[in-house]
Amino acid sequence: DTGVSQDPRHKITKRGQNVTFRCDPISEHNRLYWYRQTLGQGPEFLTYFQNEAQLEKSRLLSDRFSAERPKGSFSTLEIQRTEQGDSAMYLCASTPPPRGKYTFGSGTRLTVV
Amino acid sequence: DQQVKQNSPSLSVQEGRISILNCDYTNSMFDYFLWYKKYPAEGPTFLISISSIKDKNEDGRFTVFLNKSAKHLSLHIVPSQPGDSAVYFCAASAFGTASKLTFGTGTRLQVTL
Repeated sequence: DTGVSQDPRHKITKRGQNVTFRCDPISEHNRLYWYRQTLGQGPEFLTYFQNEAQLEKSRLLSDRFSAERPKGSFSTLEIQRTEQGDSAMYLCASTPPPRGKYTFGSGTRLTVV
Repeated sequence: DQQVKQNSPSLSVQEGRISILNCDYTNSMFDYFLWYKKYPAEGPTFLISISSIKDKNEDGRFTVFLNKSAKHLSLHIVPSQPGDSAVYFCAASAFGTASKLTFGTGTRLQVTL
């Protein structure tokens, strides 16, 4: 069990550029979640996958955001035409049942300048 | 609409004493509650959970109490240790929401020598 891995750990990008983050969950976990955390706030739900199916998306996930989980393994989160308001920590988590006992990755910190 | 609230942004406790972290929620559909601990530059790690059918759950130095009528839960850490210094997040989920968590804003605990 190597835990949940996220890459990169940090990303600085210019406004308007596209960025993509990767998450490798624990291999036997069929559920994968993306959360976003801004300064002084708790993590906020963005989207989740059960195997390769994306089953729910938050209204926080504008049409500039897209997430995939091909073959139910790793997942990518892409942000197109980044804005300064996208600056945040993007957290990935995976879990089997029981409820909510996620294993989080260390996150990708995005800074849009 | 902050459905999970942690009204104390910070708490300082002496080593060996009890730390009490509080959390209030407004959504009556929440039936499972968790506490996560977060160190800087790391993802949150699961600490302890409680189902709404219980009012107390213990795990070593950590105890979570749930008062459903008041929509309030608390985390007790006894005795507090310097390694407990971290940000603590309360989180909640509702049955049938695929373990999607709603987090509070966190309480920073500092355990002093």
